[in-house]
Amino acid sequence: DIVMTQAPLSVSVTPGESASISCRSSKSLLHSNGITYVYWYLQKPGKSPQLLIYRMSNLASGVPDRFSGSGSETDFTLKISRVEAEDVGIYYCGQLLENPHTFGAGTKLELK
Amino acid sequence: EVQLQQSGAELVRPGTSVKLSCKVSGDTITAYYMHFVKQRPGQGLEWIGRIDPEDDSTKYAEKFKNKATLTADTSSNTAYLKLSSLTSEDTATYFCTTFAYWGQGTLVTVSS
Repeated sequence: DIVMTQAPLSVSVTPGESASISCRSSKSLLHSNGITYVYWYLQKPGKSPQLLIYRMSNLASGVPDRFSGSGSETDFTLKISRVEAEDVGIYYCGQLLENPHTFGAGTKLELK
Repeated sequence: EVQLQQSGAELVRPGTSVKLSCKVSGDTITAYYMHFVKQRPGQGLEWIGRIDPEDDSTKYAEKFKNKATLTADTSSNTAYLKLSSLTSEDTATYFCTTFAYWGQGTLVTVSS
């Protein structure tokens, strides 16, 4: 199974500042079709996960452009610019390249 | 707008089975692979498996092969997850998802 490793496990950010979350996969997530199958989700307290970024760098519909995704074949970054109160929750990276689909352990974002 | 509406919370006895539903609205269910994800209290996301409602083909994570059964009914645009031989380890919230869209989750509590 592909192991997804996130860091840090928690981050405390001053509103208006930026935050970055890292995710590393144990295997390349680059498919032969040129698409990198890493996804980012935010799970707000008591809610379902919501899609933020798909295929490494594509912003999901309705997601503020303060969110961005980047990376290589195995190392990925979610960046949040100008953090707001509504960004609080747990962020997960996940790989949809192959079965079983797997997720990182999550990064909890809190406000200072 | 695509929405996934899941069935209500369940309190079930150890050793029994439970069947959860996930109804798709706003689109035809055959347009998607329907996945189910488990989240134990305070824990991360764990992929159970997926069904292709077009042909009823399924894929499961190894640890769920004797625990979970996925089915779909295209006439009602609904996917189902049946969990058998329930134990306390199955106490969790179960989400259905296309990985773009997520249901609200169904809490299953296994207790005598």
